[in-house]
Amino acid sequence: AQKITQTQPGMFVQEKEAVTLDCTYDTSDPSYGLFWYKQPSSGEMIFLIYQGSYDQQNATEGRYSLNFQKARKSANLVISASQLGDSAMYFCAMRGMSGGSNYKLTFGKGTLLTVNP
Amino acid sequence: GAGVSQSPRYKVAKRGQDVALRCDPISGHVSLFWYQQALGQGPEFLTYFQNEAQLDKSGLPSDRFFAERPEGSVSTLKIQRTQQEDSAVYLCASSTTGDLFDEQFFGPGTRLTVL
Repeated sequence: AQKITQTQPGMFVQEKEAVTLDCTYDTSDPSYGLFWYKQPSSGEMIFLIYQGSYDQQNATEGRYSLNFQKARKSANLVISASQLGDSAMYFCAMRGMSGGSNYKLTFGKGTLLTVNP
Repeated sequence: GAGVSQSPRYKVAKRGQDVALRCDPISGHVSLFWYQQALGQGPEFLTYFQNEAQLDKSGLPSDRFFAERPEGSVSTLKIQRTQQEDSAVYLCASSTTGDLFDEQFFGPGTRLTVL
């Protein structure tokens, strides 16, 4: 079984500043993938960034980077130079290999990010 | 439109009515997923198709929920005798293969409200 914990229901950040959204996970799978999605008010889940459990380097995609600390089982999302359009719900998710169900995404409860002008 | 589409976007049903939610995946995508997102929660897995075969329906909350993908493309999620606890956003996603590192592309969802 897999579990994702996001302890920050809401976060505020000033435009142009950096913000870190926390995510911890629990799994017994030796191989797994960690994902971050953005969900604006329109409802669509937008894929942001992916980290494989065996990747040696932290993933980066433009202004998004993933601070992966395997021993601590954490996968925090860092957004640099925040923009007003970054205001949205952010979900951490994972997929593992257990029971052959490597297709199944397990999501956290999300963090609502508000970017202030 | 190259993305995943879902219809209707909003559905209001009286308790006890049957509803049908449609998902059009990205053309050529083998794998299709349904998730349920309750208010204030993250999405939860409902079911998984590979082509027309339903390989996993472990997340369906009751036997009132039924999903099909008869020709391996469009999928329909049907809920019979809707209850208030069925109120949620139902998200559909598709991917090329469904493998561990294969990105799932999500549709905009159908918001179901049961009165």
